Amino acid sequence: DAGVTQSPTHLIKTRGQQVTLRCSPKSGHDTVSWYQQALGQGPQFIFQYYEEEERQRGNFPDRFSGHQFPNYSSELNVNALLLGDSALYLCASRGFESSYEQYFGPGTRLTVT
Amino acid sequence: GQSLEQPSEVTAVEGAIVQINCTYQTSGFYGLSWYQQHDGGAPTFLSYNALDGLEETGRFSSFLSRSDSYGYLLLQELQMKDSASYFCAVSPRDDKIIFGKGTRLHILP
Repeated sequence: DAGVTQSPTHLIKTRGQQVTLRCSPKSGHDTVSWYQQALGQGPQFIFQYYEEEERQRGNFPDRFSGHQFPNYSSELNVNALLLGDSALYLCASRGFESSYEQYFGPGTRLTVT
Repeated sequence: GQSLEQPSEVTAVEGAIVQINCTYQTSGFYGLSWYQQHDGGAPTFLSYNALDGLEETGRFSSFLSRSDSYGYLLLQELQMKDSASYFCAVSPRDDKIIFGKGTRLHILP
């Protein structure tokens, strides 16, 4: 049973560019959340997707957008990249039976130069 | 606003017991979770408390006092592999899970 997978593992982009990160949830999970984790900090909630809709959103600008597909996989898009967007981006999934236990993927390390 | 406070670093000796505290302030509250994260790894779920009291899972226990907005994670029989960062996280009613900044646990042989 595959856990949460994310791609790519690492990514280097230039300021002003756009990036798309991908996530496949754990089998049987239908809710996907995205987090940004700066070095030495805790994960910060970006948004959550359920039934292909954004259910909740944290304090992130509109440059951060997402999508969930019918197979529950999800994408995170960031436009007009800033140096401050450099971070580890984590995807987490959970199922209906457990509203609090999230399974995290290994993350995508984004570096903006 | 919503915030969590936990110590930035804790040091303990292998085989000993260590407690990592967490205080929180949030509008609406469902429960308190704990996650472990090794360097370069993903956070992994350890425990969840929705009600006051102690929850035990093997060497790890977690406690919650809703009236004090306080919880802690207790790690017993410390092993070197327990060296990691530990995050408390609150689940508010709007489901926007908030993580603390993490406690770095150093274990000495």
